[in-house]
Amino acid sequence: EDQVTQSPEALRLQEGESSSLNCSYTVSGLRGLFWYRQDPGKGPEFLFTLYSAGEEKEKERLKATLTKKESFLHITAPKPEDSATYLCAVQGIREIKAAGNKLTFGGGTRVLVKP
Amino acid sequence: EAGVAQSPRYKIIEKRQSVAFWCNPISGHATLYWYQQILGQGPKLLIQFQNNGVVDDSQLPKDRFSAERLKGVDSTLKIQPAKLEDSAVYLCASSYANLNTEAFFGQGTRLTVV
Repeated sequence: EDQVTQSPEALRLQEGESSSLNCSYTVSGLRGLFWYRQDPGKGPEFLFTLYSAGEEKEKERLKATLTKKESFLHITAPKPEDSATYLCAVQGIREIKAAGNKLTFGGGTRVLVKP
Repeated sequence: EAGVAQSPRYKIIEKRQSVAFWCNPISGHATLYWYQQILGQGPKLLIQFQNNGVVDDSQLPKDRFSAERLKGVDSTLKIQPAKLEDSAVYLCASSYANLNTEAFFGQGTRLTVV
């Protein structure tokens, strides 16, 4: 069974204070690792997909990286509008191909950026 | 492009009552998911449809939860009877048929069971 663990559970940053979020995963075969952002009262919003170790993706102040066991989401010089819960999810290889679409999520990291 | 639509946004019911949630996925998306998100936790998959067939319902409490996706488009999730521990946000998501494609989520329905 796929497992995802995110740390820390919560992170308080000052505006401009860069930091990293960790996502450790266990999966029999990785199809993809996904990062989502979730604002209070809303559904998760897609950020990135990573497929293989060594891959990196960037979007504004966010950069996601992937190794064979974990992924990091780096937040560079964050602003208050980056405050949100960041969710990591994996898609594992399944015997039934269609079932491989299933996303297994971690518990998320709640990020608060203070001005 | 219209997103995933869900209704209602909020629902409060008493325990042992029944409730139903509705989801309209993004047009052309063959895969539809229902997730349960308890406060402070990540979403947990309840059921996955590929067109109108069930692909994965291994974590669906089948004694009280049911879901259907008629004609491979809209879907409904029902709880009967509800328990206090069913209080959560129920998220619907959809994705294109191919693997390795991201899922797009609706706003969710916040259910409170009292």
